[in-house]
Parts: sequence; C-alpha cells; structure tokens
Amino acid sequence: QSVLTQPPSASGTPGQRVTISCSGGSSNIGSNFVYWYQQLPGTAPKLLIYRNNQRPSGVPDRFSGSKSGTSASLAISGLRSEDESDYYCAAWDDSLSGVVFGGGTKLTVL
Amino acid sequence: QLQLQQSGPGLVKPSEPLSLTCTVSGGSIISRSFCWGWIRQPPGKGLEWIGSLDYSGSTYYNPSLKSRVTISGDTSKNQFSLKLSSVTAADTAVYYCARCSFGQFSHFDPWGQGTLVTVSS
Repeated sequence: QSVLTQPPSASGTPGQRVTISCSGGSSNIGSNFVYWYQQLPGTAPKLLIYRNNQRPSGVPDRFSGSKSGTSASLAISGLRSEDESDYYCAAWDDSLSGVVFGGGTKLTVL
Repeated sequence: QLQLQQSGPGLVKPSEPLSLTCTVSGGSIISRSFCWGWIRQPPGKGLEWIGSLDYSGSTYYNPSLKSRVTISGDTSKNQFSLKLSSVTAADTAVYYCARCSFGQFSHFDPWGQGTLVTVSS
C-alpha cells in the first residue's frame, strides 16, 4: 500500500476537465510540497507540477496543481488524447525521512 | 541541457548484487543545488524511491531498502551509482536515475531512460 492514496483510474472525454486526487497525512502532504509526474506508456516519468502548483517550462497551462491540508489535486482542462497516461503524486515524508509516491492514476481519454 | 544516461546489466542472479550507473552530462554532480536519486518501478506497478545522494556525498535511503542499498558518486567521471545487495525476484523492476533538487528530494527532473533489471537464475 502506498503512503499517498490516488484513485487507480480516471477518465474523461476530449475537452473535459478532470481532476486526480492525492491524499496523504500531516507528515507528508500536510507539511511538504507536492509534486506530480506524468508517465506516458513505455517512457520515463516526467515532472508535471512542482511545489504544489508550479509548472516547469514546456508544460501546458492546461495542467494545474493545488493543495489543501493533507490532500492535493491535479487538474487537467481541455482534455486531449495525448493526456492519456499514468499520473503520480509525490512528497517528502518527515516521519519516514524519505520520498513517498502515490500508487498512480491511469487516465483514459474516452 | 542536462542528460542522464544509465548503464548496467539487465539480468542479475538471485542473491547477487545489482549495480547500475548513471552518467551525467550537461551538469555536475557536485552542484550544491542538486541531488541525485534512484527510483524503481516493478512491472505493472507504481514508483518507489530507493534513495538519493547530495553534492557533499551524504546519502538518504528508503527505510525499507536501507540495509541493502548503497548510492555513491564518482566526481572524476561525473557519475553516480546504485548497488543493491542480495537481490530477489521482488527486486525485478525498471530502475530510473534522476536529478533532484537539494532540499526538495521529491523534485525529480530530468530522469534517465530507465533500465529493466530482471532477477532470475
């Protein structure tokens, strides 16, 4: 079981807005930044969101992150077929003294 | 542009050590702003942090793997390496190296290409 909890799957149709949740606790999300990664099939993960809501250069503004308390969310607006991917959240955990990942969410574009 | 190139065997026998190397180009592993990490992903499963190395040589390990993991750096070759001892089939995974941000160890960017390591006799 992952320390951070994500729904195993999510789906949407082109143009829709979808959100993916990431639930943790006071020792991880509650006290540290959240990061989001996109992993397209057969490729290495790619940084999508850092420090809760910051986008690296090159990441479309359709992707946005937010955090509240011990939960975080990734929102994708104007859904496109190329967004079909696995998404992972991550954070530092003060109790474990290590990086923890969510179990990942597989996004399907219908 | 920073690039990470992984190398190492794709097949390891049970009980033997797993060794992988990540060669960094376009940046230095002794940069005080960054650290260097290893993450793995068993087939069909999620990501698991293995550990990280900072510019001073200090290491940070996943508590569940700490007894078997060593991460080290070679500044002369601008490389960092992973050694995982006494492997079992449960260690079969794609192993990734990545740069992290010092002080923000969850900030991995960029990533290496990944190496599938299969543990089998």
